[in-house]
Amino acid sequence: KNQVEQSPQSLIILEGKNCTLQCNYTVSPFSNLRWYKQDTGRGPVSLTIMTFSENTKSNGRYTATLDADTKQSSLHITASQLSDSASYICVVSAWAAGNKLTFGGGTRVLVKP
Amino acid sequence: NAGVTQTPKFRVLKTGQSMTLLCAQDMNHEYMYWYRQDPGMGLRLIHYSVGEGTTAKGEVPDGYNVSRLKKQNFLLGLESAAPSQTSVYFCASITRTTSTDTQYFGPGTRLTVL
Repeated sequence: KNQVEQSPQSLIILEGKNCTLQCNYTVSPFSNLRWYKQDTGRGPVSLTIMTFSENTKSNGRYTATLDADTKQSSLHITASQLSDSASYICVVSAWAAGNKLTFGGGTRVLVKP
Repeated sequence: NAGVTQTPKFRVLKTGQSMTLLCAQDMNHEYMYWYRQDPGMGLRLIHYSVGEGTTAKGEVPDGYNVSRLKKQNFLLGLESAAPSQTSVYFCASITRTTSTDTQYFGPGTRLTVL
């Protein structure tokens, strides 16, 4: 069964600090891995998309890494801001299956001043 | 360009009532999806469509029906609502030109079934 597991479930960090979120997956056939940011009461918004051949991708203060061999990804947030408070969702795509996306449960990040 | 819109934003139903959720996108996307999101769980795929006139079952299709009569609209129907269908429903769309296309989500519909 295709699964995406994220850790931790939640974390609290102080404004200005860095943090790293983890994602492990067992989706097959793998097409790409996406990180989304979901603000409370809103739909998810894409942060990064990485294919099998990409090891890292950045979007501003967000940097995602992918190790396709170990089926692990991480999302690093640098110099956190209050607006980074949100849920971060790891999603793995199986394009061959109609681009079905398997979603992780998310990591809820709270940035405190 | 409004992106993906959902109607309504909130709804309260009694058990056994029916309703239809409307998703509309103005980006000429081929693929459209309906998900539900429950507390502590990832988004789960209910139904999806790879083009006008086509629909397919996702991970949790029971109790729901869908229709894609027009390319820009994807309807999700609940024929006889049950409390287990209390959830937040998200619609999404994507082009099919490449597998790394961005998937765009609507703002969600919060449904409560009493």
